[in-house]
Amino acid sequence: EPEVTQTPSHQVTQMGQEVILRCVPISNHLYFYWYRQILGQKVEFLVSFYNNEISEKSEIFDDQFSVERPDGSNFTLKIRSTKLEDSAMYFCASSQPGQGYNEQFFGPGTRLTVL
Amino acid sequence: AQSVTQPDIHITVSEGASLELRCNYSYGATPYLFWYVQSPGQGLQLLLKYFSGDTLVQGIKGFEAEFKRSQSSFNLRKPSVHWSDAAEYFCAVGANAGNMLTFGGGTRLMVKP
Repeated sequence: EPEVTQTPSHQVTQMGQEVILRCVPISNHLYFYWYRQILGQKVEFLVSFYNNEISEKSEIFDDQFSVERPDGSNFTLKIRSTKLEDSAMYFCASSQPGQGYNEQFFGPGTRLTVL
Repeated sequence: AQSVTQPDIHITVSEGASLELRCNYSYGATPYLFWYVQSPGQGLQLLLKYFSGDTLVQGIKGFEAEFKRSQSSFNLRKPSVHWSDAAEYFCAVGANAGNMLTFGGGTRLMVKP
């Protein structure tokens, strides 16, 4: 069964460094998303991406964040200058629009630790 | 704006007992509703979803949920809980294709032997 994959599974970085989190969505999906979950808290939406542009973003998704689909398969989240509060689990998801509904398939997540 | 409330942060049930996890949503139109399960250190697995039609939906692992528009609820149920059901459960609401999902705060389920 097709699935969303994410790399790396765990990323440790120093505050102020740039990180890139990678995702391979399901191949025939057209919508891509990033969510994050700070330890012990709920899952929060960051951004959605469709047709090579951001379609929706939350207030969390500030200028430090960017997303890109550099080729036909990968979808990346870049954090330019990490802060301690960026430590979280980051989930990628994808969906294929059809019949008006929105079933999103989630990857296993990347745990980002900022020291 | 859409929102989801899961009133119970923690629930403990005995193995074999029945389970109901509560979820209330706020959304202006017909919602698309989901229950996800997250085992420790794992990602989110979809248990079931409601889009339209029959208000009682069946999911994986023996779970079911009932959509009640009058109560703005989508409670998750299981008639007999297994120890492997211990996990965190998230209710979520979404709109049309491409729209973000809004998650509730989650309910952590513990199962006593």
